[in-house]
Amino acid sequence: ETGVTQSPTHLIKTRGQQVTLRCSSQSGHNTVSWYQQALGQGPQFIFQYYREEENGRGNFPPRFSGLQFPNYSSELNVNALELDDSALYLCASSSPDRESRGYTFGSGTRLTVV
Amino acid sequence: KQEVTQIPAALSVPEGENLVLNCSFTDSAIYNLQWFRQDPGKGLTSLLLIQSSQREQTSGRLNASLDKSSGRSTLYIAASQPGDSATYLCAVRPGAAGNKLTFGGGTRVLVKP
Repeated sequence: ETGVTQSPTHLIKTRGQQVTLRCSSQSGHNTVSWYQQALGQGPQFIFQYYREEENGRGNFPPRFSGLQFPNYSSELNVNALELDDSALYLCASSSPDRESRGYTFGSGTRLTVV
Repeated sequence: KQEVTQIPAALSVPEGENLVLNCSFTDSAIYNLQWFRQDPGKGLTSLLLIQSSQREQTSGRLNASLDKSSGRSTLYIAASQPGDSATYLCAVRPGAAGNKLTFGGGTRVLVKP
């Protein structure tokens, strides 16, 4: 099985800009979740996509949006970047058919907003 | 609202000592609990997953227990090694219809040679 892959690994953006992060889910997984992890804290749930539809959202403003594609890969878009958006963004995939295996996480994208 | 707490936030032990990491959660209506390892600046590696109907799971030197009624899980790492140095995170998933993990803040572990 191929794991969860995320790109890019690092990027630096200026406040007010927009950014797109990408995630390829693990083979056989049709559910993708995104998490934000600030330094020294546990990850916080942003939203989840199942079969191209958003089916859950955490306490994040609308400028955080996403997409899931027919091949189950996903994008996280953040508009009007703020300094507090600097964090590690993690993508996780899972499958309702394999719930006993839990979630598989990617290596993350480190976003720095200056 | 589910809250997950991990105490202590950090600990340091000499090599060979057993590690005991604690995780507590406020809502016992969980579907499962998952333990992860995170190396600095990296993603999460799944260690063990315990379903709500299970009491414990074991993998090699790792053993995780779950007491749902008291809202606690414990991760035991036997005979710690310097390579075990990392941050350990626990996460709970609500009932089967739930779709998000709620994480604790993690315990940062340093195993000294």
